[in-house]
Amino acid sequence: KNQVEQSPQSLIILEGKNCTLQCNYTVSPFSNLRWYKQDTGRGPVSLTIMTFSENTKSNGRYTATLDADTKQSSLHITASQLSDSASYICVVSAVQAGTALIFGKGTTLSVSS
Amino acid sequence: NAGVTQTPKFQVLKTGQSMTLQCAQDMNHNSMYWYRQDPGMGLRLIYYSASEGTTDKGEVPNGYNVSRLNKREFSLRLESAAPSQTSVYFCASFRGELFFGEGSRLTVL
Repeated sequence: KNQVEQSPQSLIILEGKNCTLQCNYTVSPFSNLRWYKQDTGRGPVSLTIMTFSENTKSNGRYTATLDADTKQSSLHITASQLSDSASYICVVSAVQAGTALIFGKGTTLSVSS
Repeated sequence: NAGVTQTPKFQVLKTGQSMTLQCAQDMNHNSMYWYRQDPGMGLRLIYYSASEGTTDKGEVPNGYNVSRLNKREFSLRLESAAPSQTSVYFCASFRGELFFGEGSRLTVL
């Protein structure tokens, strides 16, 4: 069964600190993996998209990694800011027709001052 | 460009009432989706439309109907609302990635 597991479920860090969020998947055949950021009361917004051949991709202070062999991805946030407080959702796309997007349940990050 | 627009943003219904959630996108995307988001459950697919004139069931379609009115618009209808349908509903369009609306928060009493 295609599944996406995210950890931790929630995380609290101090402003300025770094953190890493994890995403493990069992989706096959794999097409790509996306990380979305969802602010409270808003819709999710894409942070980064990674394909099978990509190991690392950065978007400002956000760096995503992908290990297609172990089926793991991580999202590293550097020098966190209060505005990073949000839910981060990992979405894996399978190579198939129709509903090919498998969602993780998200990690809720709280950055405190 | 507005992207994906959902209406209404908030709605309170009584059990048994009906209502339609509206969604429109101005990005000329073929594919559109309706999701619901509940605490601890993540986003779950209700219905999707791969192109104008086609719709298909997702993971949790029971109690809902959809209409792909044209390429821009994809509506979600609750014929007889139940408390279990209290949720936040998101519409999205897709081209390479999902573009979400701001959500419609529905409470069924």
